[in-house]
Amino acid sequence: GAGVSQSPSNKVTEKGKDVELRCDPISGHTALYWYRQSLGQGLEFLIYFQGNSAPDKSGLPSDRFSAERTGGSVSTLTIQRTQQEDSAVYLCASSLDRGAPLHFGNGTRLTVT
Amino acid sequence: EDQVTQSPEALRLQEGESSSLNCSYTVSGLRGLFWYRQDPGKGPEFLFTLYSAGEEKEKERLKATLTKKESFLHITAPKPEDSATYLCAARALGGATNKLIFGTGTLLAVQP
Repeated sequence: GAGVSQSPSNKVTEKGKDVELRCDPISGHTALYWYRQSLGQGLEFLIYFQGNSAPDKSGLPSDRFSAERTGGSVSTLTIQRTQQEDSAVYLCASSLDRGAPLHFGNGTRLTVT
Repeated sequence: EDQVTQSPEALRLQEGESSSLNCSYTVSGLRGLFWYRQDPGKGPEFLFTLYSAGEEKEKERLKATLTKKESFLHITAPKPEDSATYLCAARALGGATNKLIFGTGTLLAVQP
């Protein structure tokens, strides 16, 4: 079946602008995650959604970052007033349930100029 | 603090030259050790999950093993198509979080 789909695949924005990144998880997967991958660094956890439970936002680096998941499916990660240090690949993953492996999309490469 | 460390950072092998990648972890209550493969411009692709010390999983030329402190990814007679970054991640027990803690990866290059 279809994998995790992310859009756009690339985004170039000017410093100070807001951006929205979209993630379509695998159908039926109850858990959804956002990670950030910077050059030469490991994947950095941002936020986790599980069903209708309150999300785990413990990885969001500042209050400029927010995410929502509508109807238990599609998720949007929003970065307000982007800064150059926000430049990275933003990866979304979903899993069948809490203990299952994560399946990743191919990411959105964000460049802030 | 929960942590995952991978070594070496980079590894260059000749085709057919077997080797191992290391993943050391310190987490409070391991609830799974995961191996992923990542190709350039792609998201990580799931390979294996290991849950308890002594467990082994195999897929083609890859075998993953787990002890109480580390995991190894053994690559037997690698081919150039095995070239990629290999990531390991640990899931820790507890709380509302269910995140995977990732290492920084080993970049493997297999030369023909």
